Amino acid sequence: KQEVTQIPAALSVPEGENLVLNCSFTDSAIYNLQWFRQDPGKGLTSLLLIQSSQREQTSGRLNASLDKSSGRSTLYIAASQPGDSATYLCAASRRTGANNLFFGTGTRLTVIP
Amino acid sequence: NAGVTQTPKFQVLKTGQSMTLQCAQDMNHNSMYWYRQDPGMGLRLIYYSASEGTTDKGEVPNGYNVSRLNKREFSLRLESAAPSQTSVYFCASRLNTGYEQYFGPGTRLTVT
Repeated sequence: KQEVTQIPAALSVPEGENLVLNCSFTDSAIYNLQWFRQDPGKGLTSLLLIQSSQREQTSGRLNASLDKSSGRSTLYIAASQPGDSATYLCAASRRTGANNLFFGTGTRLTVIP
Repeated sequence: NAGVTQTPKFQVLKTGQSMTLQCAQDMNHNSMYWYRQDPGMGLRLIYYSASEGTTDKGEVPNGYNVSRLNKREFSLRLESAAPSQTSVYFCASRLNTGYEQYFGPGTRLTVT
């Protein structure tokens, strides 16, 4: 079974700061890794997906990297804004029939104006 | 496209009652999934369906049944609800030739 861990559980930063969210997984034979954003009481919004053959993906101020050998992924947010405040979830899938996602418990980010 | 839709958004049940959570997607995806989200835990897979007519158990299937009615719809049924099934339930779908999973808005279920 794939175990996914996200540290820290919560993070507060002042507006404008660059920040890094961390995700680690136990099984390096992942199919892909997906980062999501979840606002309170809402569903999951997909931010970035990194296939197992890729090292990173970028979308606007977001950059996600993947290092399978060390079992780590990072989500870099540049020039943070109060609207970035949310819980960020990382999820890894294994090469199984289901290709289901194994989720971390998330990092709750607060960007202070 | 509406993407993945779920009904109802909220539900309160008494212990022993039954209900069905509905999920539909309009993206012509093959695979569909049901997850539950509990405080302090990551989302966990309940059941999934790799294609119309097939369903398989996930990590936490006990107390649930599913039906893949057609390619668009995947329902989750609680036959006799228990307080331990109080959770937020998410449906997701994925194209079998793709990688990304798309999630619905969730159903918040409370069992008293």
